[in-house]
Amino acid sequence: AQKITQTQPGMFVQEKEAVTLDCTYDTSDPSYGLFWYKQPSSGEMIFLIYQGSYDQQNATEGRYSLNFQKARKSANLVISASQLGDSAMYFCAMRVLGGGATNKLIFGTGTLLAVQP
Amino acid sequence: GAVVSQHPSRVICKSGTSVKIECRSLDFQATTMFWYRQFPKQSLMLMATSNEGSKATYEQGVEKDKFLINHASLTLSTLTVTSAHPEDSSFYICSALGAAAGLNYGYTFGSGTRLTVV
Repeated sequence: AQKITQTQPGMFVQEKEAVTLDCTYDTSDPSYGLFWYKQPSSGEMIFLIYQGSYDQQNATEGRYSLNFQKARKSANLVISASQLGDSAMYFCAMRVLGGGATNKLIFGTGTLLAVQP
Repeated sequence: GAVVSQHPSRVICKSGTSVKIECRSLDFQATTMFWYRQFPKQSLMLMATSNEGSKATYEQGVEKDKFLINHASLTLSTLTVTSAHPEDSSFYICSALGAAAGLNYGYTFGSGTRLTVV
């Protein structure tokens, strides 16, 4: 079964420190994509970073990096130099093949990150 | 970048009435639209997938007669919650997949609609 698991319901981090949000996935498809989204209290989904299953290097986007360990089926998000504005819900998602051969995203349960001054 | 405009952002309706939510892709063609539902403090649950010009594919457990999806053009998809009840109160959000959808690998989300049924 295809599944995304986020085991941390909530996390605290001190401002300016780094934090790692965990994500593990399960799929039998050889080709897949992994995403991280940020959802502030306003509800919008903000794309942060993407990792393809065949990508040789870990993805990075500014302060965000993805620690991709394919053999362990994990795709943890690392946020460096946390800022107060990083406080939000973070979702890990995986692109899977849906009905009618359309790729769809399935989401983990999310991690609520609180950055403390 | 790619933008999906979702309206309304908030709606309150009486029990038994219907509510229509629109998602428009502003600068690209959305060949596929995904509709999600999110209860407070929970994850996004995919309700259905629609491709332009064809019937939507609903996820298991989602009532297709209650949640009507129309994707008549490459820039507009609508979700109509028919005969809404308080248990339908939720956050609904669309996500478009299409050509030239920007740098986020194809999935562009609307800003969401918070539906409250009283």
